[in-house]
Amino acid sequence: AQTVTQSQPEMSVQEAETVTLSCTYDTSESDYYLFWYKQPPSRQMILVIRQEAYKQQNATENRFSVNFQKAAKSFSLKISDSQLGDAAMYFCAYRYGGSQGNLIFGKGTKLSVKP
Amino acid sequence: DAGVIQSPRHEVTEMGQEVTLRCKPISGHNSLFWYRQTMMRGLELLIYFNNNVPIDDSGMPEDRFSAKMPNASFSTLKIQPSEPRDSAVYFCASSLGVGDSPLHFGNGTRLTVT
Repeated sequence: AQTVTQSQPEMSVQEAETVTLSCTYDTSESDYYLFWYKQPPSRQMILVIRQEAYKQQNATENRFSVNFQKAAKSFSLKISDSQLGDAAMYFCAYRYGGSQGNLIFGKGTKLSVKP
Repeated sequence: DAGVIQSPRHEVTEMGQEVTLRCKPISGHNSLFWYRQTMMRGLELLIYFNNNVPIDDSGMPEDRFSAKMPNASFSTLKIQPSEPRDSAVYFCASSLGVGDSPLHFGNGTRLTVT
């Protein structure tokens, strides 16, 4: 069975600095997708970034980028120039490449941003 | 695009009562998911539908839980009878049903069973 592990329950970063959130996953599939979701205190789940496993190039969305290491089954999220609004729970998620796959989530990392 | 709409936003009920949570997916999305979020267990998939057909309900805790999707624009999750351990945030999400299509989540229903 596929699993997603986020080993950092909590992280803290100074405003304007850079922080990296870790995620590892376990799968025997070769075709899959990876996502990072953000959940602020409002509890809304917001998509931050996604990565297709068949693409070697790391995905980037403005201040958010990933370091995707397929062989190591690692998918870390880097947040540059951290802002107070980045404070939230961050969830890493895996989705099988088949058309009917559901998302499997990690336990999450709570990110605090210090002014 | 109104997004995924869930109702109610909050629900407080007494143990033994029936609870019905509702979800309207994004128009055109053909996959719908129900998740439960608790501090202890994180986000757990309860059930998901593809083209209104239940595909995987292995996450449904027990017979007290049931879900339906009578048409492409509406789904319900029912708990009968409810128990205090059912207290959680329940999310509905929808997607286009292909691998790289992200799930779009509703704002969730916070259920409290006393």
